[in-house]
Amino acid sequence: GAVVSQHPSWVICKSGTSVKIECRSLDFQATTMFWYRQFPKQSLMLMATSNEGSKATYEQGVEKDKFLINHASLTLSTLTVTSAHPEDSSFYICSARERGGMNTEAFFGQGTRLTVV
Amino acid sequence: GDSVTQMEGPVTLSEEAFLTINCTYTATGYPSLFWYVQYPGEGLQLLLKATKADDKGSNKGFEATYRKETTSFHLEKGSVQVSDSAVYFCALSRQAGTALIFGKGTTLSVSS
Repeated sequence: GAVVSQHPSWVICKSGTSVKIECRSLDFQATTMFWYRQFPKQSLMLMATSNEGSKATYEQGVEKDKFLINHASLTLSTLTVTSAHPEDSSFYICSARERGGMNTEAFFGQGTRLTVV
Repeated sequence: GDSVTQMEGPVTLSEEAFLTINCTYTATGYPSLFWYVQYPGEGLQLLLKATKADDKGSNKGFEATYRKETTSFHLEKGSVQVSDSAVYFCALSRQAGTALIFGKGTTLSVSS
């Protein structure tokens, strides 16, 4: 199946710094990528939908100035957590769907464990 | 709005036991339904899917049947293994290009 690569798999940063997470579709074009956040023992919460060449669409309650999303090409989307604080510590997962109808599979990156100290 | 409800976990079973994880959904129209599995420290992997009523998805001994009349997509496996220990997520997709909507996940723990 198709592969979505997410990098880094884990990162520790100091409070107040920014962290960038990359999500790449390795063997297919993804016009749309999705960013999720997962709290311990909870489900995936959709943060935003990233469309190639346009601004991301953020879910209600997600600060767009804090979680900057860029989707510059059909194979790369980035999430930057700006001025990170300990409460931003979480597991972030990206997902990409192949072009096609709603029956197409969504492929997920392996996730990024962010710890802000 | 659309939603997915899964049975609360954790589910603890002995090896070779029968597994059922219940999943029901609320959605207009005819969504596609999915089961994803997440192993510790990893991302999600598609386990199986069904795209229309009465379809049965199956993979690695797991099965789920799309039941429109009961709006359900229960996951079953006849004989679980220790390696099946993971978190299982039921999800739906209603529109092309939109994000999946996930249930809260069910943790399965299988002991030998």
